[in-house]
Amino acid sequence: QSALTQPRSVSGSPGQSVTISCTGASSDVGRYDFVSWFQQHPGKAPKLMIYGVTKRPSGVPDRFSASKSGDTASLTISGLQAEDEADYFCCSFAGSSWAFGGGTKLTVL
Amino acid sequence: EVQLVESGGGLVQPGGSLRLSCAASGFTLNSYRMTWVRQAPGKGLEWVASIKEDGSEKYYVDSVKGRFTISRDSARNSVYLQINSLRAEDTALYYCARFTGTWHTFDYWGQGTLVTVSS
Repeated sequence: QSALTQPRSVSGSPGQSVTISCTGASSDVGRYDFVSWFQQHPGKAPKLMIYGVTKRPSGVPDRFSASKSGDTASLTISGLQAEDEADYFCCSFAGSSWAFGGGTKLTVL
Repeated sequence: EVQLVESGGGLVQPGGSLRLSCAASGFTLNSYRMTWVRQAPGKGLEWVASIKEDGSEKYYVDSVKGRFTISRDSARNSVYLQINSLRAEDTALYYCARFTGTWHTFDYWGQGTLVTVSS
């Protein structure tokens, strides 16, 4: 039940793209296509942005995309907007448990 | 509209107990697994416990096994987390979340209830 590893922070200017990595292990990210990404604004509950590695729930802009290679998953946000500034957490199924990343703070410059 | 509303948090001394509740509405509770996830102040998310649709199976993170118990009551449309033998490191905002079995993720979250363990 180890945590997934994310960079503590990333930043980008409006209109640019940023990518957030999420490194796990062969027991979680590497084994299952059940990686999710959540967005959390200060004082708010997490919001599901990506599930099943690459899928977007209804209402999530297509500026948000994701992928996975081996034990590492990635979230890319293109065409950055001010409202994208938030914390982002990855999450992976790990058998009979779930592992979360420590979170990445995205700053829109 | 799916809604999850947590309650029951508070300030408790080390070794104490609390019972957290999660009131669900806008969906059929007994069709979904449910989960508790916590977030310590300024920290990341941590999965705590999950319970199957019929309550037949329960899963816990190692750090809470033997101290926390997840349960559900379909008649009351509620999920509970009984937390005993509380430690300072259990201080966190506890979220209730709905689990989607198809994609093994959490699609709706409540606003959380704060548990503070301090003497």
